[in-house]
Amino acid sequence: EIVLTQSPGTLSLSPGERATLSCRASQSVNSAYSAWYQQKPGQAPRLLIYGASSRATGIPDRFSGSGSETDFTLTISRLEPEDFAVYYCQQYGSSPTFGQGTRLEIK
Amino acid sequence: QVQLAQSGAEVKQPGASVKVSCKASGYIFAAYYLYWVRQAPGQGLEWMGWINPNRGSTKYEKSFQGRVTMTGDTSISTVYMELSRLRSDDTAVYYCVRWGLGSETRIEAFDIWGQGTMVTVSS
Repeated sequence: EIVLTQSPGTLSLSPGERATLSCRASQSVNSAYSAWYQQKPGQAPRLLIYGASSRATGIPDRFSGSGSETDFTLTISRLEPEDFAVYYCQQYGSSPTFGQGTRLEIK
Repeated sequence: QVQLAQSGAEVKQPGASVKVSCKASGYIFAAYYLYWVRQAPGQGLEWMGWINPNRGSTKYEKSFQGRVTMTGDTSISTVYMELSRLRSDDTAVYYCVRWGLGSETRIEAFDIWGQGTMVTVSS
């Protein structure tokens, strides 16, 4: 099973700043099956990025994804107040797995 | 619009079973695999298995094999997840989730999520 490790565990930033979230896989993965999700308290996760870099429908262009093989990154160019949430990366090898999450909090 | 509507919260005793339903609407039900993902309080996301609603075929994550059963009813566009021999560590929110690769979309990710069903296991 591929293990995904997200860093940092918690990221404290201010609105307007740039956020960079990392996801490292224990072995090389197919970037076509790499995705990022946002989850707010009491809500289901929401798809942000799929195929490592494609934005899902309705996702603002301040969200971008990149990476390949074992290292993937989610970047939020200028944080808005509604962006403070928990973010999960996910991959699909023989089965889907999720990272443990990065909490993005207001500084 | 495309949505997955799940059944309401459940409270069960240890050793009992729970059956959660997920009704799909707004898309061709048989054309997309549906997964079940759970999230314990304050924890991350854990895949449980999937069902192909068209054929009824299933695949379960190893740690749930023998305790989980996923079924579907194409006549009412609904899938079910039954978990037996419940333990306290099964307390979690259970999500029904669509894998977005199908006849109408080519999204290789979990593109549509149900609202979640809280299952509490307590004596």
